[in-house]
Amino acid sequence: AQSVTQLDSQVPVFEEAPVELRCNYSSSVSVYLFWYVQYPNQGLQLLLKYLSGSTLVKGINGFEAEFNKSQTSFHLRKPSVHISDTAEYFCAGVMDSNYQLIWGAGTKLIIKP
Amino acid sequence: DSGVTQTPKHLITATGQRVTLRCSPRSGDLSVYWYQQSLDQGLQFLIHYYNGEERAKGNILERFSAQQFPDLHSELNLSSLELGDSALYFCASSGGEQVFGQGTRLTVV
Repeated sequence: AQSVTQLDSQVPVFEEAPVELRCNYSSSVSVYLFWYVQYPNQGLQLLLKYLSGSTLVKGINGFEAEFNKSQTSFHLRKPSVHISDTAEYFCAGVMDSNYQLIWGAGTKLIIKP
Repeated sequence: DSGVTQTPKHLITATGQRVTLRCSPRSGDLSVYWYQQSLDQGLQFLIHYYNGEERAKGNILERFSAQQFPDLHSELNLSSLELGDSALYFCASSGGEQVFGQGTRLTVV
């Protein structure tokens, strides 16, 4: 069955430290993958997307993600986090011709001063 | 501003009542998706409309219904409301990737 799994419900990290939010997918067909961010009391905003081509994708606010087909992963990284990065991050994928997004459960990024 | 407009932003209503949430998609987008986000269930896909036609259903209760009108705006109708229906309801429109509105926070008391 097709699925998207975010392995951590919360990730605490110190300000200015690097962070990686993990996302794995399960699909027997080609995938499109997305990371969305939800700041407190706001809607979801697209951070970055992988459709095809280069496996390293750069997004807004200094985030990047790497598509790894052999590991079926699409982990999100940032080399140095800021307090303003406090938010919930959702990984999602399109894995069929209906173009329905399958969502991960979300990871709360907690920045410690 | 994502270009997706949801009204109202906040709604407080009593159990047993019926409410209608409205979504205006981004200009040119034909698809509208509805989601429910609650603390215990997370983000749940409810329903997808494309150019007025229902395309897919997710975890939508029978008490809930939606439609998309010829001008492409969409409405989500929630009836016989229960306390557990309190949540954030998002719509997203798509011409490619999904773009979200700011949501309607529904509180059922």
